Amino acid sequence: GAVVSQHPSRVICKSGTSVKIECRSLDFQATTMFWYRQFPKQSLMLMATSNEGSKATYEQGVEKDKFLINHASLTLSTLTVTSAHPEDSSFYICSAIGLAGVTQETQYFGPGTRLLVL
Amino acid sequence: AQSVTQLGSHVSVSEGALVLLRCNYSSSVPPYLFWYVQYPNQGLQLLLKYTSAATLVKGINGFEAEFKKSETSFHLTKPSAHMSDAAEYFCAVSARTTGNQFYFGTGTSLTVIP
Repeated sequence: GAVVSQHPSRVICKSGTSVKIECRSLDFQATTMFWYRQFPKQSLMLMATSNEGSKATYEQGVEKDKFLINHASLTLSTLTVTSAHPEDSSFYICSAIGLAGVTQETQYFGPGTRLLVL
Repeated sequence: AQSVTQLGSHVSVSEGALVLLRCNYSSSVPPYLFWYVQYPNQGLQLLLKYTSAATLVKGINGFEAEFKKSETSFHLTKPSAHMSDAAEYFCAVSARTTGNQFYFGTGTSLTVIP
Protein backbone atom coordinates (compact mmCIF):
# COMPACT_ATOMS: atom_id res chain seq x y z
CA GLY A 1 0.00 0.00 0.00
CA ALA A 2 0.83 3.73 -0.11
CA VAL A 3 2.14 3.83 -3.65
CA VAL A 4 2.86 7.07 -5.45
CA SER A 5 3.57 7.23 -9.15
CA GLN A 6 5.05 9.94 -11.32
CA HIS A 7 4.85 10.42 -15.03
CA PRO A 8 6.94 10.80 -17.03
CA SER A 9 10.03 9.30 -15.46
CA ARG A 10 12.29 11.15 -17.86
CA VAL A 11 11.64 14.04 -20.20
CA ILE A 12 13.81 16.02 -22.56
CA CYS A 13 12.50 19.28 -23.93
CA LYS A 14 13.65 22.33 -25.81
CA SER A 15 14.27 25.61 -24.07
CA GLY A 16 11.15 27.75 -23.94
CA THR A 17 8.66 24.91 -23.94
CA SER A 18 6.48 23.79 -21.03
CA VAL A 19 6.55 20.42 -19.36
CA LYS A 20 3.89 18.82 -17.18
CA ILE A 21 4.71 16.23 -14.54
CA GLU A 22 1.97 14.15 -12.94
CA CYS A 23 1.98 12.76 -9.43
CA ARG A 24 -0.64 10.19 -8.46
CA SER A 25 -1.41 8.40 -5.22
CA LEU A 26 -2.48 4.99 -6.49
CA ASP A 27 -4.03 3.33 -3.48
CA PHE A 28 -4.84 6.12 -1.06
CA GLN A 29 -6.33 9.57 -1.05
CA ALA A 30 -3.82 12.33 -0.54
CA THR A 31 -4.85 15.43 1.33
CA THR A 32 -1.49 17.04 0.77
CA MET A 33 1.14 16.61 -1.89
CA PHE A 34 4.62 18.03 -1.88
CA TRP A 35 6.94 18.85 -4.76
CA TYR A 36 10.68 18.67 -4.30
CA ARG A 37 13.66 19.38 -6.46
CA GLN A 38 16.90 17.52 -6.00
CA PHE A 39 20.28 18.47 -7.40
CA PRO A 40 23.00 15.83 -7.84
CA LYS A 41 24.46 14.58 -4.58
CA GLN A 42 22.21 16.90 -2.56
CA SER A 43 19.21 16.66 -0.32
CA LEU A 44 15.67 17.44 -1.30
CA MET A 45 14.61 21.05 -1.66
CA LEU A 46 10.94 21.63 -0.98
CA MET A 47 9.38 23.69 -3.73
CA ALA A 48 5.74 23.78 -2.76
CA THR A 49 2.97 22.19 -0.77
CA SER A 50 -0.40 21.60 -2.36
CA ASN A 51 -3.72 20.71 -0.82
CA GLU A 52 -6.60 19.38 -2.85
CA GLY A 53 -8.83 22.13 -4.12
CA SER A 54 -6.73 25.04 -2.93
CA LYS A 55 -3.78 27.05 -4.13
CA ALA A 56 -0.33 25.69 -3.56
CA THR A 57 1.97 27.23 -0.99
CA TYR A 58 5.37 27.96 -2.49
CA GLU A 59 8.63 28.10 -0.64
CA GLN A 60 10.62 31.28 -0.63
CA GLY A 61 12.55 31.74 -3.83
CA VAL A 62 10.35 29.44 -5.92
CA GLU A 63 8.61 31.27 -8.75
CA LYS A 64 4.95 30.33 -8.66
CA ASP A 65 4.37 31.57 -12.20
CA LYS A 66 7.13 29.34 -13.47
CA PHE A 67 6.28 26.23 -11.51
CA LEU A 68 2.52 25.86 -11.74
CA ILE A 69 0.99 23.36 -9.37
CA ASN A 70 -2.53 22.01 -9.60
CA HIS A 71 -4.03 19.57 -7.09
CA ALA A 72 -7.33 18.88 -8.75
CA SER A 73 -8.29 15.71 -6.93
CA LEU A 74 -7.35 13.65 -3.90
CA THR A 75 -5.17 11.41 -6.06
CA LEU A 76 -3.58 13.74 -8.58
CA SER A 77 -1.26 16.73 -8.47
CA THR A 78 0.56 18.20 -11.44
CA LEU A 79 3.65 20.36 -11.71
CA THR A 80 4.05 22.36 -14.91
CA VAL A 81 7.40 23.92 -15.62
CA THR A 82 6.59 26.83 -17.91
CA SER A 83 9.04 28.24 -20.43
CA ALA A 84 11.68 25.82 -19.28
CA HIS A 85 15.34 26.77 -19.46
CA PRO A 86 18.49 24.67 -19.02
CA GLU A 87 18.81 25.78 -15.40
CA ASP A 88 15.48 24.07 -14.71
CA SER A 89 17.05 20.73 -15.51
CA SER A 90 16.85 18.66 -12.38
CA PHE A 91 15.27 15.68 -10.64
CA TYR A 92 11.76 16.46 -9.48
CA ILE A 93 10.14 14.29 -6.81
CA CYS A 94 6.64 14.41 -5.42
CA SER A 95 5.29 12.98 -2.22
CA ALA A 96 1.87 12.54 -0.69
CA ILE A 97 0.28 12.34 2.73
CA GLY A 98 -3.02 10.56 3.12
CA LEU A 99 -6.28 11.06 4.91
CA ALA A 100 -6.13 8.28 7.45
CA GLY A 101 -4.21 5.36 8.85
CA VAL A 102 -0.57 4.83 8.12
CA THR A 103 -0.67 7.33 5.29
CA GLN A 104 -1.78 10.13 7.58
CA GLU A 105 1.55 11.04 9.12
CA THR A 106 4.06 9.84 6.57
CA GLN A 107 5.15 11.23 3.24
CA TYR A 108 5.24 8.59 0.52
CA PHE A 109 7.40 9.46 -2.44
CA GLY A 110 7.08 8.99 -6.13
CA PRO A 111 9.97 7.61 -8.18
CA GLY A 112 10.97 11.02 -9.50
CA THR A 113 11.10 12.70 -12.90
CA ARG A 114 14.37 13.58 -14.57
CA LEU A 115 13.97 16.78 -16.59
CA LEU A 116 16.59 17.82 -19.12
CA VAL A 117 16.12 21.12 -20.91
CA LEU A 118 18.23 21.60 -23.99
CA ALA B 1 10.87 24.83 14.37
CA GLN B 2 12.34 21.51 13.34
CA SER B 3 15.70 20.57 11.86
CA VAL B 4 17.83 17.51 11.31
CA THR B 5 21.58 17.01 11.33
CA GLN B 6 23.14 13.96 9.77
CA LEU B 7 26.73 13.53 10.87
CA GLY B 8 28.92 12.11 8.17
CA SER B 9 28.00 12.72 4.56
CA HIS B 10 29.84 9.55 3.58
CA VAL B 11 30.07 6.29 5.50
CA SER B 12 31.94 3.20 4.35
CA VAL B 13 31.57 -0.21 5.93
CA SER B 14 32.72 -3.67 5.01
CA GLU B 15 30.17 -6.23 3.96
CA GLY B 16 28.91 -7.96 7.09
CA ALA B 17 29.92 -5.13 9.40
CA LEU B 18 27.66 -2.97 11.54
CA VAL B 19 26.01 -0.02 9.85
CA LEU B 20 25.51 3.11 11.96
CA LEU B 21 24.13 6.27 10.41
CA ARG B 22 23.71 9.20 12.74
CA CYS B 23 20.79 11.60 12.96
CA ASN B 24 20.18 14.32 15.53
CA TYR B 25 17.07 16.41 15.49
CA SER B 26 15.85 19.67 16.87
CA SER B 27 12.17 20.17 17.50
CA SER B 28 10.12 22.51 19.62
CA VAL B 29 7.31 19.97 19.80
CA PRO B 30 7.22 16.16 20.06
CA PRO B 31 8.44 15.01 16.68
CA TYR B 32 7.78 12.33 14.18
CA LEU B 33 11.05 10.94 12.84
CA PHE B 34 11.75 9.05 9.65
CA TRP B 35 14.52 7.35 7.76
CA TYR B 36 14.33 7.06 3.99
CA VAL B 37 16.63 5.35 1.50
CA GLN B 38 17.25 6.54 -2.03
CA TYR B 39 18.85 4.48 -4.76
CA PRO B 40 20.33 6.25 -7.81
CA ASN B 41 17.75 7.95 -10.01
CA GLN B 42 14.88 6.81 -7.83
CA GLY B 43 12.53 8.35 -5.31
CA LEU B 44 12.73 7.92 -1.56
CA GLN B 45 11.62 4.70 0.06
CA LEU B 46 10.49 4.68 3.67
CA LEU B 47 12.73 2.52 5.85
CA LEU B 48 11.11 3.16 9.19
CA LYS B 49 9.40 5.78 11.28
CA TYR B 50 8.93 6.82 14.87
CA THR B 51 5.55 8.29 15.63
CA SER B 52 4.80 7.27 19.21
CA ALA B 53 5.18 4.67 21.94
CA ALA B 54 7.97 2.24 21.10
CA THR B 55 11.31 3.99 21.03
CA LEU B 56 13.04 1.14 19.21
CA VAL B 57 11.65 1.00 15.73
CA LYS B 58 12.22 -1.84 13.33
CA GLY B 59 12.04 -1.22 9.62
CA ILE B 60 12.50 -2.97 6.35
CA ASN B 61 15.66 -4.69 5.14
CA GLY B 62 16.89 -5.37 8.68
CA PHE B 63 17.26 -1.73 9.68
CA GLU B 64 16.24 -0.33 13.02
CA ALA B 65 16.49 2.98 14.83
CA GLU B 66 16.14 4.08 18.41
CA PHE B 67 14.53 7.32 19.47
CA LYS B 68 16.48 8.84 22.35
CA LYS B 69 14.80 11.95 23.62
CA SER B 70 17.58 12.80 26.07
CA GLU B 71 20.10 12.78 23.25
CA THR B 72 17.71 14.15 20.60
CA SER B 73 18.93 11.35 18.36
CA PHE B 74 17.44 8.82 15.98
CA HIS B 75 20.39 6.82 14.71
CA LEU B 76 19.90 4.11 12.09
CA THR B 77 21.58 0.76 12.51
CA LYS B 78 21.85 -2.59 10.82
CA PRO B 79 23.85 -5.44 12.34
CA SER B 80 25.32 -6.74 9.11
CA ALA B 81 25.77 -4.68 5.95
CA HIS B 82 24.89 -6.11 2.58
CA MET B 83 26.11 -4.91 -0.78
CA SER B 84 22.55 -3.95 -1.66
CA ASP B 85 22.49 -1.47 1.24
CA ALA B 86 24.72 0.91 -0.69
CA ALA B 87 22.56 3.99 -1.21
CA GLU B 88 21.80 7.48 0.06
CA TYR B 89 20.00 7.68 3.39
CA PHE B 90 17.95 10.62 4.60
CA CYS B 91 16.68 11.36 8.08
CA ALA B 92 13.61 13.57 8.37
CA VAL B 93 11.60 15.20 11.15
CA SER B 94 8.11 16.61 11.22
CA ALA B 95 5.84 18.06 13.83
CA ARG B 96 2.94 15.94 15.04
CA THR B 97 0.47 17.62 12.77
CA THR B 98 -1.25 15.85 9.94
CA GLY B 99 0.13 16.92 6.61
CA ASN B 100 2.86 19.00 8.13
CA GLN B 101 6.10 19.75 6.39
CA PHE B 102 9.08 17.43 6.64
CA TYR B 103 12.58 18.68 7.29
CA PHE B 104 15.29 16.54 5.74
CA GLY B 105 18.90 16.08 6.64
CA THR B 106 21.58 16.51 4.04
CA GLY B 107 21.86 12.78 3.55
CA THR B 108 24.49 10.12 4.17
CA SER B 109 25.96 8.12 1.33
CA LEU B 110 26.62 4.55 2.41
CA THR B 111 29.29 2.54 0.62
CA VAL B 112 29.61 -1.17 1.30
CA ILE B 113 33.04 -2.64 0.64
CA PRO B 114 33.11 -6.28 -0.44
